[in-house]
Amino acid sequence: DIQMTQSPSSLSASVGDRVTITCQASQDISNYLNWYQQKPGKAPKLLIYDASNLETGVPSRFSGSGSGTDFTFTISSLQPEDIATYYCQQYDNLPQYTFGQGTKLEIK
Amino acid sequence: QVQLQESGPGLVKPSQTLSLTCTVSGGSISSGSYYWSWIRQPAGKGLEWIGRIYTSGSTNYNPSLKSRVTISVDTSKNQFSLKLSSVTAADTAVYYCASGVAGSFDYWGQGTLVTVSS
Repeated sequence: DIQMTQSPSSLSASVGDRVTITCQASQDISNYLNWYQQKPGKAPKLLIYDASNLETGVPSRFSGSGSGTDFTFTISSLQPEDIATYYCQQYDNLPQYTFGQGTKLEIK
Repeated sequence: QVQLQESGPGLVKPSQTLSLTCTVSGGSISSGSYYWSWIRQPAGKGLEWIGRIYTSGSTNYNPSLKSRVTISVDTSKNQFSLKLSSVTAADTAVYYCASGVAGSFDYWGQGTLVTVSS
């Protein structure tokens, strides 16, 4: 099984800050990595697919990078509406999907 | 725009079978290359993929749940369903239906809370 380790598990930042979340895979997953945003009481929303591609309609302050085992998700300038929990998800060994444990982002 | 909506009992007794249905609107469940999945999330915890079905009827399940899970599709009703047998309190969670092409989950239902309790 491929394990996904996100860090940090929680993060507090100020409006306008640059925020970075990392996700590490237990083995090489190429670029088969997606990022989701989940606001309280809501379903997750796909933000980034294939490690670095922005889903249609998602603000450009969100970005993703990485390949192999190490991936990064970045918010270039944190906005109040970005408060959420963020998850990475791998799909290298389809038909199995694995999510990271999540990173809870709060406003300082 | 595809929309998904979960339905089913919110309370299930231990050892019984949890049954949920996802109704798809805004598109045919038979068209395209979409996989139709179930994902769950215990309160305050992360996301766990349960399994998926393709419109052909072929299924794939999470090995940790495989012995208890059945996912089926009813193309005439534009629905797919989840059955999870022999439930325990550990199966209490918000259950989501979701769809996507291959590796991502592009569309999600709003989620439905299922509590396992006597």
